[in-house]
Amino acid sequence: AQRVTQPEKLLSVFKGAPVELKCNYSYSGSPELFWYVQYSRQRLQLLLRHISRESIKGFTADLNKGETSFHLKKPFAQEEDSAMYYCALSGGSSNTGKLIFGQGTTLQVKP
Amino acid sequence: DGGITQSPKYLFRKEGQNVTLSCEQNLNHDAMYWYRQDPGQGLRLIYYSQIVNDFQKGDIAEGYSVSREKKESFPLTVTSAQKNPTAFYLCASSTLQGARGEQYFGPGTRLTVT
Repeated sequence: AQRVTQPEKLLSVFKGAPVELKCNYSYSGSPELFWYVQYSRQRLQLLLRHISRESIKGFTADLNKGETSFHLKKPFAQEEDSAMYYCALSGGSSNTGKLIFGQGTTLQVKP
Repeated sequence: DGGITQSPKYLFRKEGQNVTLSCEQNLNHDAMYWYRQDPGQGLRLIYYSQIVNDFQKGDIAEGYSVSREKKESFPLTVTSAQKNPTAFYLCASSTLQGARGEQYFGPGTRLTVT
């Protein structure tokens, strides 16, 4: 079954500390993985996708097919990074546009 | 900001009443989606539609119904059969080609049923 798991409901760090939000997935084919972010009082929006290999707002995520993981990392957290983060999976070949979301992790960056 | 709009922002209903949530997009997207967001459970897909006059059930479709009579509009009806309707509902849209995986979300509707 297709599944995305984010084991931490809440991750609290101090400003300047490294951040790693964990995401593990279960999918039999070749998935595409994404991170979405929801800042307070803002809409849910795409942060980054693995296929682009990009760094957005200092965040990066590497798809590890062996460990079926797609952890989101940032070397130095900022207070404005505080938000809800969702990991999501798309079935690569199905092309329906459907996404499967994880349970979400709230990142709290303390001053 | 436009793009995809949902109304109303807050909705209150009595138990046993059906209620319809509006979702409109002007992005010319083919696909539209309805999610339910509950604390600790993430986003769960209720229904989705890839083309006008066609839609498919998501993971938690029971107690909900939708229609897609126009490309721009994808209303969701929460029926009295939905056992736990109080939740935050999010609508999204996307293209089916190109930027697969990028869904654009509306601001959401918080439904409270008492």
